[in-house]
Amino acid sequence: DIQMTQSPSSLSASVGDRVTITCRASQGIYNAVVWYQQKPGKAPNLLLHGALSGAFNLESGVPSRFSGSGSGTDYTLTISSLQPEDYGTYYCQHYYSAPGFGQGTKVEIK
Amino acid sequence: EVQLVESGGGLVQPGGSLRLSCAASGFIFSDHFMGWVRQAPGKGLEWVGHSGNKGISYIKEYVASVRGRFTISRDHSENSLYLQMNSLKSEDTAVYYCTRGLGGTSVYDSWGQGTLVTVSS
Repeated sequence: DIQMTQSPSSLSASVGDRVTITCRASQGIYNAVVWYQQKPGKAPNLLLHGALSGAFNLESGVPSRFSGSGSGTDYTLTISSLQPEDYGTYYCQHYYSAPGFGQGTKVEIK
Repeated sequence: EVQLVESGGGLVQPGGSLRLSCAASGFIFSDHFMGWVRQAPGKGLEWVGHSGNKGISYIKEYVASVRGRFTISRDHSENSLYLQMNSLKSEDTAVYYCTRGLGGTSVYDSWGQGTLVTVSS
């Protein structure tokens, strides 16, 4: 099974900050990565996913301050300018084979 | 509007069984991979398993910790997904989410509200 190691486990940042969350797969996953946001007591929400073409597709309705990048085993979710509503826990997931999730990154607004 | 509504959760004793259901609506059920993801209290997300879409609905994959104990099935006439859970353990205690894959993938673009399963004596 492919393991996803996500970091950091938590972060605290101010409104307007650039925030980066990373995921490292235990083997190459050819851009088959997904990022979700989960707010307390709610189901996760799909933010974006990578495609075999190399593109990262933002889900409809997700603000453009969210973006994805990476290749091979290393992938990044970036929030270009953190907003108050961006609090929550973020998870990466691979879908290259039987899926697996990262451990999550809890984002707090200072 | 896509809707996934889970039911069947509850309290069960260790070693017992439970069957979760997920009623799907608002989309062509057979076009999509469907899966189950769980979240233990205060913990992260764990993929449980999935069922393939039309033509490959025989595809059933599971995380190692539930393989041989849990079985996913789907009824296309009822637009429903099921999770039969046997030989339940305390570590199976979690909120179980029904998920819809984007087409033939496990990119989960829709989630149910979740149903809580508690395994305890």
